[in-house]
Amino acid sequence: KNQVEQSPQSLIILEGKNCTLQCNYTVSPFSNLRWYKQDTGRGPVSLTIMTFSENTKSNGRYTATLDADTKQSSLHITASQLSDSASYICVVSARTGANNLFFGTGTRLTVIP
Amino acid sequence: NAGVMQNPRHLVRRRGQEARLRCSPMKGHSHVYWYRQLPEEGLKFMVYLQKENIIDESGMPKERFSAEFPKEGPSILRIQQVVRGDSAAYFCASSPGGQLNTGELFFGEGSRLTVL
Repeated sequence: KNQVEQSPQSLIILEGKNCTLQCNYTVSPFSNLRWYKQDTGRGPVSLTIMTFSENTKSNGRYTATLDADTKQSSLHITASQLSDSASYICVVSARTGANNLFFGTGTRLTVIP
Repeated sequence: NAGVMQNPRHLVRRRGQEARLRCSPMKGHSHVYWYRQLPEEGLKFMVYLQKENIIDESGMPKERFSAEFPKEGPSILRIQQVVRGDSAAYFCASSPGGQLNTGELFFGEGSRLTVL
C-alpha cells in the first residue's frame, strides 16, 4: 500500500535553532518527492522537489535530502525564524496511476522567541 | 501571472443548503485537484479533473458531492444539503500537465466552509 508518514507530528523550537523533519514513504514506483510549507490559513507552497537521482537540494535555509534506497527524506531548517512556524507536508508521486500523489499528514512546527 | 484563484474564501451555510466553491487554475493549467482539510489535520484528496473530464473521484463522497471543470470557466465543487461535518477548508490545486510530470502543484488559498 502506498503511504507517506511524517514525524514528528509537531515540534516546538527556539528561534535561531535548527531542526529536522522526517518523511518515510512506501510509494512505488517512485517518481519524485516534494516538500510543501503551509502557513496557518493559507494554501501550501512548494519548497523543494526531488527526483530519484537527487540526494540533496537546498532552498535558502531549507535543505531537503532523499535516500531512495531506504525511502526516506528529511527537511532540515537552519537558523529558524518565527516565520518558519507552519505545517510542512511531504508529498510523494508514483510513476504510474491516474491519481498518483500521496500526501503525508504534515509536521506542525512552532518557532518561539 | 495570477495564481490559483478560489472563491469564496469564506462561506457560511445552514444545514440543508447548497455550497458552491469555485476554482480558477493558473493560466495554461488544464488539470485541477480538490482537497479537503479539517482543522489540525492533513490534506485529503477528493477529486482530480481535466477540462470536461473527471479523472479520479475516489476521494469524494458518493452522495451530495459533485465536481466539474467545464470547457469554459472555473472548476466547481458542489456540496448539496450540507451537514455540519462538511465544515472544512477546501483547497484547489492546478498543474500544467498530469500528475505524472515532475511539475509542482500550485495551490489556491482555500475556501473555508462553515455549516451552522
